Amino acid sequence: KAGVTQTPRYLIKTRGQQVTLSCSPISGHRSVSWYQQTPGQGLQFLFEYFSETQRNKGNFPGRFSGRQFSNSRSEMNVSTLELGDSALYLCASSLGTSGATDTQYFGPGTRLTVL
Amino acid sequence: AQKVTQAQTEISVVEKEDVTLDCVYETRDTTYYLFWYKQPPSGELVFLIRRNSFDEQNEISGRYSWNFQKSTSSFNFTITASQVVDSAVYFCALRRETGGFKTIFGAGTRLFVKA
Repeated sequence: KAGVTQTPRYLIKTRGQQVTLSCSPISGHRSVSWYQQTPGQGLQFLFEYFSETQRNKGNFPGRFSGRQFSNSRSEMNVSTLELGDSALYLCASSLGTSGATDTQYFGPGTRLTVL
Repeated sequence: AQKVTQAQTEISVVEKEDVTLDCVYETRDTTYYLFWYKQPPSGELVFLIRRNSFDEQNEISGRYSWNFQKSTSSFNFTITASQVVDSAVYFCALRRETGGFKTIFGAGTRLFVKA
């Protein structure tokens, strides 16, 4: 079974630009969660999508948004990039039907650098 | 408030030594889930174990073992006879039953295993 894939793996943008990151979950998984990892703040939950609907949301500004398609693939968008948005963005997929007991499988991440 | 504390920022051991990674958590919930993940240099988080709050049995999986003690709110992870391939960052995490995938991660412990 193929794992979680994220594209692109590396990205360099400048302040003020916007960026879209993509995540393809494991086949059969309907839940996709996004996390931001930075040296200062660690791993922080952004949001979770299940069956094309946002089911949970973390404490991030509205510049961070996402969506999920009917094939469960998900995209995350960050508008008006700031230097502090430089981070590793991790996507996790799970079945999404067992609540908090679901095991999440993570992708390799997208390393975003904002100059 | 929920919180996960991994007080050890970095640990360095010599191959074949045993090493214990500490995790202390805070939650007011009676039902919750605890996790350990491994993050190798490649970046993706690898799921190691999930434990629910009602199951205090210790678990052993090969060279890995986990000690869950509700009385001290701790969920420690021991690697026996460490190997160079164990070098990674290890994260302890907490998830509420009603919180979906809003997982709270500790800051992580970086383990160096020297040959």
